[in-house]
Amino acid sequence: NAGVTQTPKFQVLKTGQSMTLQCAQDMNHEYMSWYRQDPGMGLRLIHYSVGAGITDQGEVPNGYNVSRSTTEDFPLRLLSAAPSQTSVYFCASSWNPSTNEKLFFGSGTQLSVL
Amino acid sequence: AQSVTQPDIHITVSEGASLELRCNYSYGATPYLFWYVQSPGQGLQLLLKYFSGDTLVQGIKGFEAEFKRSQSSFNLRKPSVHWSDAAEYFCAVGPSNTGNQFYFGTGTSLTVIP
Repeated sequence: NAGVTQTPKFQVLKTGQSMTLQCAQDMNHEYMSWYRQDPGMGLRLIHYSVGAGITDQGEVPNGYNVSRSTTEDFPLRLLSAAPSQTSVYFCASSWNPSTNEKLFFGSGTQLSVL
Repeated sequence: AQSVTQPDIHITVSEGASLELRCNYSYGATPYLFWYVQSPGQGLQLLLKYFSGDTLVQGIKGFEAEFKRSQSSFNLRKPSVHWSDAAEYFCAVGPSNTGNQFYFGTGTSLTVIP
């Protein structure tokens, strides 16, 4: 199994550009989520989804959009990138968070916004 | 709301020495607690988790953690550290009965001196 796959691994954007970070999992997980990791801040939840067609905001949702059209995919969209969005982004998935199954993490996307 | 505090930003230990990483949580009910490890350039990997029962839990790579309700703590320990244990360690609390969010601490960076 591939697990959780994130693409791209690295990306440089100019302020105002848009892009989509891709996340796919092949474990039939219902729960998928996006985190950003910043020095001294740990991991902060951006958006999450508990199933196809269902998304919700996390701790830091502003500037990001998500959709969940299939169980496998959970893309994160930056509509107008800002320098404050420079970060490392992680996608994570789980079978069922309400039973506190562990999260499976992708290897991350390092994003720089100039 | 749940929160997790890791008071130590960075710890340095000698190879072969014992290790204890601190984690304190704020939670209204019985918490579900996790420790994850992040190697450089990688996503997070679960070390161990506590749901209920025995307050001393064993994990992978020789790590263990002890849940102490009276101190609201879930400290991670290892009797003898190996150079390969150098990494970032994150404590996390799992979703409550009414939520779907995991909350992570800010992480502790471990350096191992040969």
